[in-house]
Amino acid sequence: EADIYQTPRYLVIGTGKKITLECSQTMGHDKMYWYQQDPGMELHLIHYSYGVNSTEKGDLSSESTVSRIRTEHFPLTLESARPSHTSQYLCASSEDADRAEKLFFGSGTQLSVL
Amino acid sequence: LAKTTQPISMDSYEGQEVNITCSHNNIATNDYITWYQQFPSQGPRFIIQGYKTKVTNEVASLFIPADRKSSTLSLPRVSLSDTAVYYCLDRMDSSYKLIFGSGTRLLVRP
Repeated sequence: EADIYQTPRYLVIGTGKKITLECSQTMGHDKMYWYQQDPGMELHLIHYSYGVNSTEKGDLSSESTVSRIRTEHFPLTLESARPSHTSQYLCASSEDADRAEKLFFGSGTQLSVL
Repeated sequence: LAKTTQPISMDSYEGQEVNITCSHNNIATNDYITWYQQFPSQGPRFIIQGYKTKVTNEVASLFIPADRKSSTLSLPRVSLSDTAVYYCLDRMDSSYKLIFGSGTRLLVRP
């Protein structure tokens, strides 16, 4: 079982604040992902990384940014939070053996921007 | 970017077998098909993965025909705790992007 951790689990914050959502994994996985999901809706890929110092934007446009300075750490930052950023953010890492990719998800961060 | 397609919802009763089919019209040649289960307010959880023919584990079976344009997740004798959203996933090209479809919302009734 993979270990992937997201903090905080819940965050309520005011408009205009800068926030960073943390994601760490202990499996040594090269690939990591951030998905955004509203209640009852599908997951949208917003960022992914295939290794240290490599990041790409996903299919859903997002005002957030990510960094990958260490293999185990993939934080997501919002420079100025807005109510439209209210959502659940899910981090995942993957074990990829010959294209048989398997995602392991964290518990998510539920973000509410007032 | 085309994603997988699957039924939006399904209803079943405890003890029945449930089959959920997914279309993979643009699957990349070497990629596997993977299914995930998601409960409310949690991240998706891996269920099963296969390339073709049939794969079975302690939770489910996965059937993939020779052309690999579809897959069917089979859940034997479902229980109330199997009520969840089920996603099929593949990779449409050589990129690293893994795009989820809409998922199938399974409701198991007593």
